[in-house]
Amino acid sequence: QVQLVQSGSELKKPGASVKVSCKASGHSFNVFGITWVRQAPGQGLEWVGWISAYNGDSNYAQNFQGRVSMTTDTSTTTVYMELSSLRSDDTAIYFCARSEPLIGESLIYWGQGTLVTVSS
Amino acid sequence: EIVLTQSPGTLSLSPGERATLSCRASQSVRSSYLAWYQQKPGQAPRLLIYGASTRATGIPDRFSGSGSGTDFTLTISRLEPEDFAVYYCQHYAGSPMYTFGQGTKLEI
Repeated sequence: QVQLVQSGSELKKPGASVKVSCKASGHSFNVFGITWVRQAPGQGLEWVGWISAYNGDSNYAQNFQGRVSMTTDTSTTTVYMELSSLRSDDTAIYFCARSEPLIGESLIYWGQGTLVTVSS
Repeated sequence: EIVLTQSPGTLSLSPGERATLSCRASQSVRSSYLAWYQQKPGQAPRLLIYGASTRATGIPDRFSGSGSGTDFTLTISRLEPEDFAVYYCQHYAGSPMYTFGQGTKLEI
C-alpha cells in the first residue's frame, strides 16, 4: 500500500535552513506529485507547495515564495522540502501528502508529519 | 484566490446527536474539487469526503457531504465518541494549489 515516511524532528535557530524528507513507497513514484502542508501549534492546515515527481515542476504558495525549495530523488523515491531563513513562526508540523487524480486531487495519503522547531 | 470559511469554529454536541458543519467559498467552486478531512490530536488529517459528497474508502455512512457553488456541508448523522475531532474543508484550484478552511472543532 502507499506509504509516505518522513524524517524526524528538527530544531533550528532563526535564520537557518531545514530540509525535510518524505520517502514514498507502494506506488509508481514518478507518476504522482507530492504536496506539502504545514500546521503551526494549535492552528489549521496551510498549503506550502507541490512538486511533480515526473518532471520536477513545482508550485509554491505565495507566502513561501523565495524561501522554499522542493526537490525529488527518483533513485530513492524521496521528496525533499527545504525552507530557508527560518523564523519562529515557521515552527510547525510539516506533512507531505499525495493526491489521487481520480478523486479530484484530494489528499488521500499522508506522511506522519515532521515537527520543525525554530528557536534560539 | 479562493477563501474557505468554516462555521462554526467550535461545535459542542453529545454522542448520538447530529452534527452539521458548514464551509463557504468566497467564489463558486467546482464540487469535484471540494473535500473534507478529519484530524485528531497528534495525527495527520484523514480524507473523509471528496467530490463534495462521495465518502472515501472505509468512511462510515454516518458521514455525508452535500452542497454546490459556494456552500458546502458535512453532516455526521449520529455522533460516535471517536468523531470528536477537528474537521477541515479543502479546495483544489489546479496549478496545483490547495486551500483549506480554518477548521471546525467538534467537541463533547
